[in-house]
Amino acid sequence: DTGVSQDPRHKITKRGQNVTFRCDPISEHNRLYWYRQTLGQGPEFLTYFQNEAQLEKSRLLSDRFSAERPKGSFSTLEIQRTEQGDSAMYLCASSSYDNQPQHFGDGTRLSIL
Amino acid sequence: AQSVAQPEDQVNVAEGNPLTVKCTYSVSGNPYLFWYVQYPNRGLQFLLKYITGDNLVKGSYGFEAEFNKSQTSFHLKKPSALVSDSALYFCAVRPLSGGSYIPTFGRGTSLIVHP
Repeated sequence: DTGVSQDPRHKITKRGQNVTFRCDPISEHNRLYWYRQTLGQGPEFLTYFQNEAQLEKSRLLSDRFSAERPKGSFSTLEIQRTEQGDSAMYLCASSSYDNQPQHFGDGTRLSIL
Repeated sequence: AQSVAQPEDQVNVAEGNPLTVKCTYSVSGNPYLFWYVQYPNRGLQFLLKYITGDNLVKGSYGFEAEFNKSQTSFHLKKPSALVSDSALYFCAVRPLSGGSYIPTFGRGTSLIVHP
């Protein structure tokens, strides 16, 4: 169990640029979740995969956000045309079954200049 | 819709004293409840969960939580606090069956343990 890995740990970019984050879940976990966390708040759900299928997506999620998990292993989260309000910590988590706790990565901190 | 309330933004306690971090929830049907801890610039770490059974759940690092169905609460407790327990604590809930498998998290409570 090497844990959930996220890359990069920090990303600084100018408003309007596109960014992509990567998450490598625990290898035997087929559930993968993306969350966004801002200062003083708990994690806010963005999207959920079971294997390669994207089963849930937050209604609050702008169409500038897209996520993939092409082979049911690692996942990517892309934000197009970034805005100031996208500045946050983006967390990835994985689990083996729906009734098992989620294991979180250390997140990617996005700062928009 | 499910929700979690953590009424205290911050809890201060002296080292060696007992601590309680409060959580109340709202969910359709039976709840599946969690506590997580977050240290600075790190992800969330699982502490404990309640599904069914004994209302007192024991977890990692000496923490425990008490489920109270009538009060819809799931308070986190520890008999003797350590300075190293200082961190952010998040309560989360989702329905045990039916509905979404995605938990809803509270806003978090900052625990500060003074030497």
